[in-house]
Order: sequence, then C-alpha cells, then structure tokens
Amino acid sequence: GGIITQTPKFLIGQEGQKLTLKCQQNFNHDTMYWYRQDSGKGLRLIYYSITENDLQKGDLSEGYDASREKKSSFSLTVTSAQKNEMAVFLCASSLDWTNTGQLYFGEGSKLTVL
Amino acid sequence: GDSVTQTEGLVTVTEGLPVKLNCTYQTTYLTIAFFWYVQYLNEAPQVLLKSSTDNKRTEHQGFHATLHKSSSSFHLQKSSAQLSDSALYYCAHSGGSNYKLTFGKGTLLTVTP
Repeated sequence: GGIITQTPKFLIGQEGQKLTLKCQQNFNHDTMYWYRQDSGKGLRLIYYSITENDLQKGDLSEGYDASREKKSSFSLTVTSAQKNEMAVFLCASSLDWTNTGQLYFGEGSKLTVL
Repeated sequence: GDSVTQTEGLVTVTEGLPVKLNCTYQTTYLTIAFFWYVQYLNEAPQVLLKSSTDNKRTEHQGFHATLHKSSSSFHLQKSSAQLSDSALYYCAHSGGSNYKLTFGKGTLLTVTP
C-alpha cells in the first residue's frame, strides 16, 4: 500500500496572498492531480501531471500554478487568494495516465481566506 | 462535452431500508470505465465500485451498480442501509483521448436510526 500526504491540512491566508499546497505520494505512481472540492459542485480538476516533467491544465486552472518537483511530489500555488474564499483541495495519484479512473486521494487541504 | 449527473444532492434514508443513488452520464467519447467514489467525513475519497462492462452487476461492501449504456446510467444501490454508510458519494467516468475522470457533483447520503 501507499499513502498521499498533503501539507498543510489547514491554511489561512489574506486576500491577494500567494499560497502553496504540497503533496507527497509513496505509491511510485506516474500521474498526479490537484482537484478542488466545493459543496454542490463536485470535484473539479485544476492541474495534473502525467509524468515527472509534465504539467497539464485542467478545467479550473485559472488563478493557480503547479509544479511537479519530482515523481513523488506535486505542489499547487494559489496565485492570488480571493477574499472570503473557502475550499478544500485534494491531491491524487494514479499508476499512469491511462489508469486515470483509479485515483488515490489525500485527505485534503482546507483553505480559508480572510 | 462529457458530463455526469447525480440528481440528488442530499438523500436521507432510515437504517435498514433500501437506498438508491442515481447517476447518468453524457459523453461524446469512448468511455473507459465508470466509478463510484465514497468519502467518509474527514477522510479521503476512495473507490467503492468500478465497472466497464455493459449490463454486468458489480458489487462491493453490500453496494451494487450495473452499467446500462442503453440508458446511460450507473445507479448505486444497497438493499439495507447502515448508519456507517453515511458519506458523500461521487459518480465518475473516465474516457476521451486523455482518459480524464469526469465527476458528478456528489450526493450526501445520511442514514438515520
């Protein structure tokens, strides 16, 4: 088995601030993802990385940057936090890009912007 | 484009009674697989069921679902709901040229005593 670790679990920021979330996986999976979870809106894909030096935009990439530092880690940056924004960000991984249905998720990072 | 529709945002059922969570989909691509993910409170989402075969029943943890391509549906059912089934359930399918997962908006299931 393996695990996905997201840090921090809770993040409080100020309007306009740049905020970074980190994700580590020890599955040795090729592909990693960042999703945003909002109540009533489901899971929306922000960025994904098929393999170590790859970066792909998802459906919700505006306002975010991502970085795949190495195979096991994938970071997400909120480039300018929006006032009163609250969301949960979920990191996930899959064996490879053709196996995208079988995702393994982390427990999430909850963002609150004051 | 691709979409997954879960018609109920909230479902409440009494313990011991049957439960059905609806899922229908639209896709212009060859869909690879269908999934139900479950997320318990303060936990990570995890796969509950997976299917890629038309008209074949798939079962896990007392839940079952059958993919019906003729009606574009993959409903989740259980004959007797348990308190521990209370969770957020997502229907999803993967397909298209980039195999991306498309999620529904989720259904929050609450099982009451």
